[in-house]
Amino acid sequence: NAGVMQNPRHLVRRRGQEARLRCSPMKGHSHVYWYRQLPEEGLKFMVYLQKENIIDESGMPKERFSAEFPKEGPSILRIQQVVRGDSAAYFCASSPGHRSPRPTDTQYFGPGTRLTVL
Amino acid sequence: EDKVVQSPLSLVVHEGDTVTLNCSYEVTNFRSLLWYKQEKKAPTFLFMLTSSGIEKKSGRLSSILDKKELSSILNITATQTGDSAIYLCAVLSGGSNYKLTFGKGTLLTVNP
Repeated sequence: NAGVMQNPRHLVRRRGQEARLRCSPMKGHSHVYWYRQLPEEGLKFMVYLQKENIIDESGMPKERFSAEFPKEGPSILRIQQVVRGDSAAYFCASSPGHRSPRPTDTQYFGPGTRLTVL
Repeated sequence: EDKVVQSPLSLVVHEGDTVTLNCSYEVTNFRSLLWYKQEKKAPTFLFMLTSSGIEKKSGRLSSILDKKELSSILNITATQTGDSAIYLCAVLSGGSNYKLTFGKGTLLTVNP
């Protein structure tokens, strides 16, 4: 059973470009979470999605950031007009497919995408 | 705002030593505490703790939660170079069953 897959592993963008980060959850998992890890900081929750639904985006910056989890295909975290401060590691996690997460559900993480903005 | 603090931030030991990593938290409506090991890839799940005083064990690693002291420790005995990693502590709290709050991690280096 493959784990959580993320690609690309490394992404370099110039200021003003767009960054698209992809995440495929573990088989059988229907809940996807995105976290951001800035240098010298802990991972910070950004958004929680189920198929075709954004459930909680309270950790997402108000502008330039968006996320989706379509019926088919991976979840996408999209950052428009990137700035240097967006440079970070972006991790995706998934948890088992109950209707809603339970406090005993473990989140399994992907290897992350390291975004560098020049 | 929920807070998770880990100590020490970094630690260097020799193979065979025993280490204790600390995690303390200030959160509303605590639900569970998780430990992850992060090497140069995905944070790998180690333990989930929900009840005070019950030790979880996996090989040379063990962990225990103290809800009175709002803290947890992760012990690694007979350390090996392969234990070198960042150890992350995260807490699930508040009204959500999914929003983890992470500490900054402890960087453990085990020298041969």
